[in-house]
Amino acid sequence: KQEVTQIPAALSVPEGENLVLNCSFTDSAIYNLQWFRQDPGKGLTSLLLIQSSQREQTSGRLNASLDKSSGRSTLYIAASQPGDSATYLCAVRGGSYIPTFGRGTSLIVHP
Amino acid sequence: NAGVTQTPKFQVLKTGQSMTLQCAQDMNHNSMYWYRQDPGMGLRLIYYSASEGTTDKGEVPNGYNVSRLNKREFSLRLESAAPSQTSVYFCASSEGASYNEQFFGPGTRLTVL
Repeated sequence: KQEVTQIPAALSVPEGENLVLNCSFTDSAIYNLQWFRQDPGKGLTSLLLIQSSQREQTSGRLNASLDKSSGRSTLYIAASQPGDSATYLCAVRGGSYIPTFGRGTSLIVHP
Repeated sequence: NAGVTQTPKFQVLKTGQSMTLQCAQDMNHNSMYWYRQDPGMGLRLIYYSASEGTTDKGEVPNGYNVSRLNKREFSLRLESAAPSQTSVYFCASSEGASYNEQFFGPGTRLTVL
């Protein structure tokens, strides 16, 4: 059974820092990995989708990488801002079609 | 485009009552999903529909039923609500079942007393 772990569970950084969020998974036979953002009391907003054949994806200040063989993905946020404060979730999709989510990293960026 | 919409936003039920959560998407997606989100448990898949006319159980299907009414709509029914079903329920959709990005609705907060 696929298991997805996100470390750290919580992170507090000053504005302007570059930071890395980690996502690891136990079964490397995946179709893709997706990063989401969730604001308190809201739904999930898709940030980046990386297919299994890709190494990374970029959107603005966000860069996500995928190392399928080691079962790891990182989400890099450049020049963090208070508006980046949210919970970040990763989800892995494998052959069963059932996505498996990590429990998220709660990020606070303070001014 | 409204994306994925869910109704209601909030609901309080008594144990044993029934209700249906509605979900609709306007992106012409083939696949739709129902999740529940609980503190400390993360998001867990209840049921999904890979395409119109098909539904399959996810990780936690007990106590729930679903209907894929048409390509746009996917409903989740609680026949006899239990306090353990207190949760936030999210509907999501994607173009296909495997390779495509998932898009989520705003969620329904359900409390069962």
